[in-house]
Amino acid sequence: DAGVTQSPTHLIKTRGQQVTLRCSPKSGHDTVSWYQQALGQGPQFIFQYYEEEERQRGNFPDRFSGHQFPNYSSELNVNALLLGDSALYLCASSLVGPVRVSTEAFFGQGTRLTVV
Amino acid sequence: GEDVEQSLFLSVREGDSSVINCTYTDSSSTYLYWYKQEPGAGLQLLTYIFSNMDMKQDQRLTVLLNKKDKHLSLRIADTQTGDSAIYFCAESMDSSYKLIFGSGTRLLVRP
Repeated sequence: DAGVTQSPTHLIKTRGQQVTLRCSPKSGHDTVSWYQQALGQGPQFIFQYYEEEERQRGNFPDRFSGHQFPNYSSELNVNALLLGDSALYLCASSLVGPVRVSTEAFFGQGTRLTVV
Repeated sequence: GEDVEQSLFLSVREGDSSVINCTYTDSSSTYLYWYKQEPGAGLQLLTYIFSNMDMKQDQRLTVLLNKKDKHLSLRIADTQTGDSAIYFCAESMDSSYKLIFGSGTRLLVRP
């Protein structure tokens, strides 16, 4: 089992550009959550996707958007990049299922985004 | 509001016990977690406790919860150099809800 995989591992973008980060959940998991971890800080919740819909959203601007595909993989898109968007972006997957009781959330290794 | 606070740094000698503390503000938190992050790695769930429990023990790890004071602690017995990492406390309203993390405590284990 490959666990949660994220791509790319590192990325450098210029201010104003757009970026797409990808996440494949652990096998059997149906829910994907995205977190932003700035240097020296704890992860901050961005949003969560279940059944291809955004279920919950944290306090992030609309520049941050996402998508979940029928195979449960997910993308995080960030438009009009700012220097402050430089961070480690973590994806976590879990199995919620119809009874809405989640299993443990497994985290990927993250994508390190640097905006210059 | 939602806020989780942790002390920034802890240094212990190998073989000693480590105690990492955390306070949270949201009284509706149902699940409280401890995660470990090693350099360049993602987050690894160490253990969690339900809010209706006072204590949970899992091998070298002991979690204590004081719900009245909204205080959570993680004790690591016989701390090893491999335990050196950043430890995050996190809370959640339910098992499928978003995690609210503290800023992390960096644990340094001296040989």
